[in-house]
Amino acid sequence: AQKVTQAQTEISVVEKEDVTLDCVYETRDTTYYLFWYKQPPSGELVFLIRRNSFDEQNEISGRYSWNFQKSTSSFNFTITASQVVDSAVYFCALSDFSGNQFYFGTGTSLTVIP
Amino acid sequence: DVKVTQSSRYLVKRTGEKVFLECVQDMDHENMFWYRQDPGLGLRLIYFSYDVKMKEKGDIPEGYSVSREKKERFSLILESASTNQTSMYLCASSYPSGDTMGGYTFGSGTRLTVV
Repeated sequence: AQKVTQAQTEISVVEKEDVTLDCVYETRDTTYYLFWYKQPPSGELVFLIRRNSFDEQNEISGRYSWNFQKSTSSFNFTITASQVVDSAVYFCALSDFSGNQFYFGTGTSLTVIP
Repeated sequence: DVKVTQSSRYLVKRTGEKVFLECVQDMDHENMFWYRQDPGLGLRLIYFSYDVKMKEKGDIPEGYSVSREKKERFSLILESASTNQTSMYLCASSYPSGDTMGGYTFGSGTRLTVV
């Protein structure tokens, strides 16, 4: 069965602190995709990143970085030097290689305090 | 820009009413999805469709139906609204298998309150 677990329900940090959002997944597939989405207060989920199961290289995009470790079935997301605009709910998601259906975690609500 | 448009941002309906939530996408995506989002439960899939006039049940289809008469439009229908259907409803679309670079494109959501 496919499952995504985001154990952190809510996190609060002070601006400029670094913060890591955890994501652990379960799948029997050998090939799959992992995603992170951001949901700001406006409500629309915004795509942040996709990784496929063949590529365990970490990725950095500005203040955002992602650490994919197949050995621990984790795909963690780090925000460096957090800003108030980072306040949002973040969802981790898993899809099979067809990409026709996604499985979402329950989300982590991040609040960055000025 | 890819757009998924949900017709209403906020809706208030009475128990027992038939409710239509509309979703339109302009990217010629084959796949369309309806989710509901509730605190602590994340996103749960209600129905999805891979093609016109085609529909598949998701994880929580009870109390809902869908319609896809045209490729760009996917409607969610609450046959007889109940208070436990008060929720945020999110529509999404995507390309078919093999082309999931961006994953889903989501609409802004419809916050439905059933009183």
